[in-house]
Amino acid sequence: DVKVTQSSRYLVKRTGEKVFLECVQDMDHENMFWYRQDPGLGLRLIYFSYDVKMKEKGDIPEGYSVSREKKERFSLILESASTNQTSMYLCASSFQGEKLFFGSGTQLSVL
Amino acid sequence: AQKITQTQPGMFVQEKEAVTLDCTYDTSDPSYGLFWYKQPSSGEMIFLIYQGSYDQQNATEGRYSLNFQKARKSANLVISASQLGDSAMYFCMDGGYQKVTFGTGTKLQVIP
Repeated sequence: DVKVTQSSRYLVKRTGEKVFLECVQDMDHENMFWYRQDPGLGLRLIYFSYDVKMKEKGDIPEGYSVSREKKERFSLILESASTNQTSMYLCASSFQGEKLFFGSGTQLSVL
Repeated sequence: AQKITQTQPGMFVQEKEAVTLDCTYDTSDPSYGLFWYKQPSSGEMIFLIYQGSYDQQNATEGRYSLNFQKARKSANLVISASQLGDSAMYFCMDGGYQKVTFGTGTKLQVIP
């Protein structure tokens, strides 16, 4: 069965902390994505990657960075967490042009 | 630039009635795909239906169908015979070659 796994379901961090959100997929997908979801704003693309060590900015990359050292793993990094980064974070993966498979999400609270 | 617009923040429908959720898109890609996802209150993202830009016929999957009008750049989701379990957020997605973008979603509530 297809699986996209996000390391944490809930996370609470303090302002200024460095935060790592991990995502692993077992489908050999080329593409991986990080979105944040906020009420009324839908899913907004933060970063995506179409190959190992490749990354592209999405629509809201400010305050985030990513890492893809292996094909199956795509990490989202908040260098210095701020309260406006409190949100639901969704990871997804896919083959080129095909449907996305999503993880169960990480609800991040920054206090 | 790719852009997806969903203009209905919320919709109500009577149980067993049909409902149409609107989606318009703006893409410069010659080949593209439109997807619809359902997100119930549990938060999981459930794939519903796909329409390719070169598909000759509108896509259908059970009670879901796509009213695809290429000239108008619209890909509206039609749900027939609504059920209480259809109450959820619905997102339209532009499946670009690499970058993939979503609309802001429509919250559908099915009334008994």
